[in-house]
Amino acid sequence: GAVVSQHPSWVICKSGTSVKIECRSLDFQATTMFWYRQFPKQSLMLMATSNEGSKATYEQGVEKDKFLINHASLTLSTLTVTSAHPEDSSFYICSADGEGSYEQYFGPGTRLTVT
Amino acid sequence: LAKTTQPISMDSYEGQEVNITCSHNNIATNDYITWYQQFPSQGPRFIIQGYKTKVTNEVASLFIPADRKSSTLSLPRVSLSDTAVYYCLVGDMAPGFKTIFGAGTRLFVKA
Repeated sequence: GAVVSQHPSWVICKSGTSVKIECRSLDFQATTMFWYRQFPKQSLMLMATSNEGSKATYEQGVEKDKFLINHASLTLSTLTVTSAHPEDSSFYICSADGEGSYEQYFGPGTRLTVT
Repeated sequence: LAKTTQPISMDSYEGQEVNITCSHNNIATNDYITWYQQFPSQGPRFIIQGYKTKVTNEVASLFIPADRKSSTLSLPRVSLSDTAVYYCLVGDMAPGFKTIFGAGTRLFVKA
């Protein structure tokens, strides 16, 4: 089956630094990938839609200059949290559209803790 | 995007059948109904998807009435490992379709 990986699985960084999270489709090409954020005991919140070769589309209320998304290839999208602050601490999840299927494949998530 | 309503939480015991109902009154003609399962600190996992009537796979069944304004996920003989959050999503699921998650249903399976 289609597999989506994320790296790293967890990261701790200091306030003010930037962190990059990678999302890869391992055995299929993904024209579109999505980034979500999930706080404890809450549902997933869509942050942005990442399209290969074009600018990402951000959901209302998501700062595009703070959450930089790059989708440089059909198998890789990256989310960079710039100048991270403790309130950015969350679980970040990516997903990718399956080729020819009506299903999204989700990555295992990345736990970000900003100290 | 069709709004979905699910119970916030449900309790069950091992070996029982669990039915989780989702309401989606404004479902559109092209919309599919998809259910995902999520364990703590993991990404959601696809369970089942359907358009109408009944769909069954190795882990669950999905019942959709003729008006498609609701759907029921049926988990046969649950075990402790089925304790998770279950999300009902409605949309045309075409490539590029934005998946918007509702609150989901927290299922607790007790011994």
